[in-house]
Amino acid sequence: NAGVTQTPKFRVLKTGQSMTLLCAQDMNHEYMYWYRQDPGMGLRLIHYSVGEGTTAKGEVPDGYNVSRLKKQNFLLGLESAAPSQTSVYFCASSLGGAYNEQFFGPGTRLTVL
Amino acid sequence: DAKTTQPNSMESNEEEPVHLPCNHSTISGTDYIHWYRQLPSQGPEYVIHGLTSNVNNRMASLAIAEDRKSSTLILHRATLRDAAVYYCIRCSGNTPLVFGKGTRLSVIA
Repeated sequence: NAGVTQTPKFRVLKTGQSMTLLCAQDMNHEYMYWYRQDPGMGLRLIHYSVGEGTTAKGEVPDGYNVSRLKKQNFLLGLESAAPSQTSVYFCASSLGGAYNEQFFGPGTRLTVL
Repeated sequence: DAKTTQPNSMESNEEEPVHLPCNHSTISGTDYIHWYRQLPSQGPEYVIHGLTSNVNNRMASLAIAEDRKSSTLILHRATLRDAAVYYCIRCSGNTPLVFGKGTRLSVIA
């Protein structure tokens, strides 16, 4: 199993450009999550999904959109990138429930100039 | 609101045990305690979790106080590879994990 994979690993954008980050998992997990991590900080939840076709807002959703068209994929979109969105983005997945752990991807380092 | 309190940093000598404390005084009866760690330049990885009883796995042990208001992650023999940020997280129902700043563990050779 590949676990949770993220594409791309690195990206540099100019202010105003758009891009989509892809997260894929092969563990048949219902729940998927997008977090961002700024230097020296813990992870903050952007959006999450509790199943195919569903999405919900997390702590810091502004400026991002998500889609979960297939169970194994969770896409994070930036329509008009801003320097404040420079961060490392982590995707995670789980079976759900307080007794199941989350599995994290390796992260995407995004810089917005 | 992470709802847990951890020291910002701790230091340990290599091959000695490490006890990482966590306070969660407002924990409810159905909240699990999860521990994750994040090595430099990597995503978080699961370490251990528990509800009421002490738990052991190949990575660590988790000691949960009888009143469940605190817990301790125990690394039995710290290695240089254990240097990471350790997060203690309350987890209830199907709500996503909320990460605080965690404890940065330094291991000295």
